[in-house]
Amino acid sequence: GAVVSQHPSRVICKSGTSVKIECRSLDFQATTMFWYRQFPKQSLMLMATSNEGSKATYEQGVEKDKFLINHASLTLSTLTVTSAHPEDSSFYICSARVEAGPRPYEQYFGPGTRLTVT
Amino acid sequence: GIQVEQSPPDLILQEGANSTLRCNFSDSVNNLQWFHQNPWGQLINLFYIPSGTKQNGRLSATTVATERYSLLYISSSQTTDSGVYFCAVIPSGSRLTFGEGTQLTVNP
Repeated sequence: GAVVSQHPSRVICKSGTSVKIECRSLDFQATTMFWYRQFPKQSLMLMATSNEGSKATYEQGVEKDKFLINHASLTLSTLTVTSAHPEDSSFYICSARVEAGPRPYEQYFGPGTRLTVT
Repeated sequence: GIQVEQSPPDLILQEGANSTLRCNFSDSVNNLQWFHQNPWGQLINLFYIPSGTKQNGRLSATTVATERYSLLYISSSQTTDSGVYFCAVIPSGSRLTFGEGTQLTVNP
């Protein structure tokens, strides 16, 4: 199956600083990538859809100025949490979608990034 | 939007037991995927199954699209099967919507 990497796997930062998380599709090109947030014991919540070469589409209630998304190439999307606060602490997971082939729209997920804001 | 319901929410098994997890969805879908989230948080693709039946080792899945449900079967469970199993669907022209998951614990 396709592989999606995510870096870093874990990050601790001070309140007020910014953190960048990278998501890469390693063996396929992804026009569309997704960013999710997951709280303990809960399901995944979609934050935004990232399209290569265009602006991201954010879900209702997600602050686009706080969660900056850039999808600069067909294999890389980044999520920057700006001016992080303790309430931004969470598990962030990226996903890349296969657009064509025998299993269209199948999504593959990165290993996640655990963000702790102190 | 589409509703995705998974049952049971929690399941505890002894090693070697079989189990069936269910996913009901409220509208027609173009895609259905089953995932296993391991204790480290990684989501592992189990099945891409918008319809029909597939098998992969001890796991198999069946989706009856006309009746809007999917089943995941785990046979001869092992402790490494523990984790959360998610069903996720894509309605027409939309994006992947997750159920709440089934937390599976397999005891030795």
